[in-house]
Formats: sequence, C-alpha cells, structure tokens
Amino acid sequence: ETGVTQSPTHLIKTRGQQVTLRCSSQSGHNTVSWYQQALGQGPQFIFQYYREEENGRGNFPPRFSGLQFPNYSSELNVNALELDDSALYLCASSSGLAGGLEQYFGPGTRLTVT
Amino acid sequence: EDQVTQSPEALRLQEGESSSLNCSYTVSGLRGLFWYRQDPGKGPEFLFTLYSAGEEKEKERLKATLTKKESFLHITAPKPEDSATYLCAVVSGSARQLTFGSGTQLTVLP
Repeated sequence: ETGVTQSPTHLIKTRGQQVTLRCSSQSGHNTVSWYQQALGQGPQFIFQYYREEENGRGNFPPRFSGLQFPNYSSELNVNALELDDSALYLCASSSGLAGGLEQYFGPGTRLTVT
Repeated sequence: EDQVTQSPEALRLQEGESSSLNCSYTVSGLRGLFWYRQDPGKGPEFLFTLYSAGEEKEKERLKATLTKKESFLHITAPKPEDSATYLCAVVSGSARQLTFGSGTQLTVLP
C-alpha cells in the first residue's frame, strides 16, 4: 500500500509570488485535505476535496485555492504570497464520506517566504 | 466553534518514568477524537481514534482514554524513541475536518 506523498519537500519563494504544492493520496482514498502548520502550532484546516469538488473550507482567504484530479491527487495553489504563509503544508488523505474518519498525512512541504 | 487544548506544552521524562498527556475539548457532537505523533519536520503519524466516552485503545507503551470532556494519552515506561510532539484532534463538520490542539512536546532522557 502506497502512503501519501508530497512534492516538493522544501520551497523558498519571494513575497508576492505564486506557488503550487502537490499531493498524491494513499491508494484507495478519494478524499484529500490540506492543512497549514506554523512552527510550534497544530495543523490548521485549509480545505478538502472529495471526488474533484471542494467539500469544505477553513478560515483561509481566496488566494488559497486547490484542485483534485481524477486519480485523486491534488494541488494547493497560493497566490500573492505573504511572509505569514511560511509554514509546513500538510496533505492528508482519507477514504471519504462513506469510510472511516481517519486521515493519513504526508511528509509535508516546508514553504519559506522571504 | 470546536476547541482543543493540550497540556502540558512540554514534558521531560527520564527513561522508564510513566506519565500522562491531557487533551481537553469543546465540540458540538463529538464524532471522533484522534491522537497523532509528529517528529520534527515530518507529517503527523496516526496513533488512535476514540469514538465514545469510556473507550480505551492501546499500542505498545501508549494507552489512550476518553471521557466526555477530555482524553488522556498514558505513556508507560517511555524510551528515548518515544520523544516527539503528540497532537490531539477532534473531527467535526460535513467535511469531517480535524481541529488540532497545539501539541505536547515530549522528551524522554536516557
């Protein structure tokens, strides 16, 4: 069974730029959730995709957007980067609304905005 | 709004010294409470799901319990490899998103 993978591992961007982060879900999972984790804090929910549709969103501005593809992989896009966007971005997959509640996380992408 | 508070923020134990981590929660209609382990710079690793008050789950030196207001993660005779940040989360909403606490950073000294 293949676990959740994310790319890239690390990324450095300049304020105002745009970034795309990628996630491949665990095999058999059709739901992907994205979380932002600032240093010393717990992860915060950004949004979730279920069968290619957004299925819930946390308290993040519209410059955070996403996509899910037919193979259930997902992208997180952030426009107009701000210094406060520096964080560990985590992707988690789960088996969807008809399955268990457990979410399994990838290793994360460390984004640094300078 | 769901809230999760973990205590203590940090805990240092000697190898073999048992202790407990606390997770207090406020949620309208608990659907599940989760414990994760997170090593520095890595993603959280799933440990346990608890669904109802009175439920207990065990894995090696870890035991998680749940009441109507809080959960405890008991660590029996810890080893240095148990050093990590332990995160508690509750699930809610139609998206079944996780609401996390800030974690307890556990250090086990040899």
